[in-house]
Amino acid sequence: DIQMTQSPSTLSASVGDRVTITCRASQTITTWLAWYQQKPGKVPKLVIYRASSLESGVPSRFSGSGSGTEFTLTISSLQPDDFATYYCQQYSSKSSFGQGTKLEIK
Amino acid sequence: EVQLVESGGDLVQPGGSLRLSCAASGFTFSVYAMSWVRQAPGKGLEWVSAISGSSRNTYYADSVKGRFTISRDNSKNTLFLQMNSLRGADTAVYYCAKVPPDGYVIDAFDIWGQGTMVTVSS
Repeated sequence: DIQMTQSPSTLSASVGDRVTITCRASQTITTWLAWYQQKPGKVPKLVIYRASSLESGVPSRFSGSGSGTEFTLTISSLQPDDFATYYCQQYSSKSSFGQGTKLEIK
Repeated sequence: EVQLVESGGDLVQPGGSLRLSCAASGFTFSVYAMSWVRQAPGKGLEWVSAISGSSRNTYYADSVKGRFTISRDNSKNTLFLQMNSLRGADTAVYYCAKVPPDGYVIDAFDIWGQGTMVTVSS
């Protein structure tokens, strides 16, 4: 099974900051990676798919990059609505999620 | 509007069984692969199972293989998850999720249901 490891587990930042979340796979997944945003009590929302493709309707301040085993989600200028937990998901071999990164207000 | 609505969650004793349903609307259900994803209280997401549009291909996480069965009825636009030999570790909100229009059987998930809670406890 492919293990996904996100870092950091918690990230404190301010509105306007540029933030990056990292996701590492235990073996290569080429670009079969997605990122989700989840707010408390809400359903996960797809942000990025195929490692770098922005889901329709998602603001352009979100971007994804990487291939193989290392991936990043970047938010170029944090907005109040962006504070949430983010999960990466691999879908190269079955599927698995990272443990999540909670993005909180500093 | 594309919509997924889960039902069937309940409190069940360890060793018991439960069948979850997911009613789909707003899209051509039979064309899309579907998955179940669960989230234990206060924990992260865990992919559980996937099924192709035709039901020809099914996949399971190791944690549920041999205990859970995914199926679908395309004539009724409904996805199912039969859960047997339930354990405390199966306690979670269970979401059904749809892959994108050009997606594979296991892919990213562009639409999620609201979830249904399964509690396994004596």
